[in-house]
Amino acid sequence: GENVEQHPSTLSVQEGDSAVIKCTYSDSASNYFPWYKQELGKRPQLIIDIRSNVGEKKDQRIAVTLNKTAKHFSLHITETQPEDSAVYFCAASGTYKYIFGTGTRLKVLA
Amino acid sequence: DTAVSQTPKYLVTQMGNDKSIKCEQNLGHDTMYWYKQDSKKFLKIMFSYNNKELIINETVPNRFSPKSPDKAHLNLHINSLELGDSAVYFCASSRGYPGGDYGYTFGSGTRLTVV
Repeated sequence: GENVEQHPSTLSVQEGDSAVIKCTYSDSASNYFPWYKQELGKRPQLIIDIRSNVGEKKDQRIAVTLNKTAKHFSLHITETQPEDSAVYFCAASGTYKYIFGTGTRLKVLA
Repeated sequence: DTAVSQTPKYLVTQMGNDKSIKCEQNLGHDTMYWYKQDSKKFLKIMFSYNNKELIINETVPNRFSPKSPDKAHLNLHINSLELGDSAVYFCASSRGYPGGDYGYTFGSGTRLTVV
């Protein structure tokens, strides 16, 4: 079935360090991979996405990489700041829906 | 100017009651969804609609009945509420067909508590 695994479930980093969150998907037909940030009590918001014809995409301090052969994709946040603290979800396009990973709670320690 | 709006934001009700959640989007998107987020933060698809037509019903109990009067609205009616229905329910919309390569815009969520 369609499944997305996400690791780690929690991640604590010092302010200024980098954070990496990894996801693995099962459906080889998936061709779109968005990442969402959900702050406490708020809605998930799209922060970056990547399509299957691209291996890497960067937007300021965040970047996403995709390895279609291995069915892996990752989120990289550099120079982390306290406002980066949130739950991050990866997702992969599936049959008429996105399948979300289980979330990573990122804490940036000042 | 809210893009995807849900009402109510909070809903506390007793077991056995019937309740509705409303969702409206002003983005001109063709597709709308309902997702359930449980206490562990898992986001699970419930329904997707495209231009008022049901596309997915992801093994949701038939106590949950979505209704889409037009492509800008997707409401969720829940009959005979159970304790396990307590969760945050998110409406979302996207361009194109469900599962396509356009990101979702989520509503602000409805926190449902069944007591």
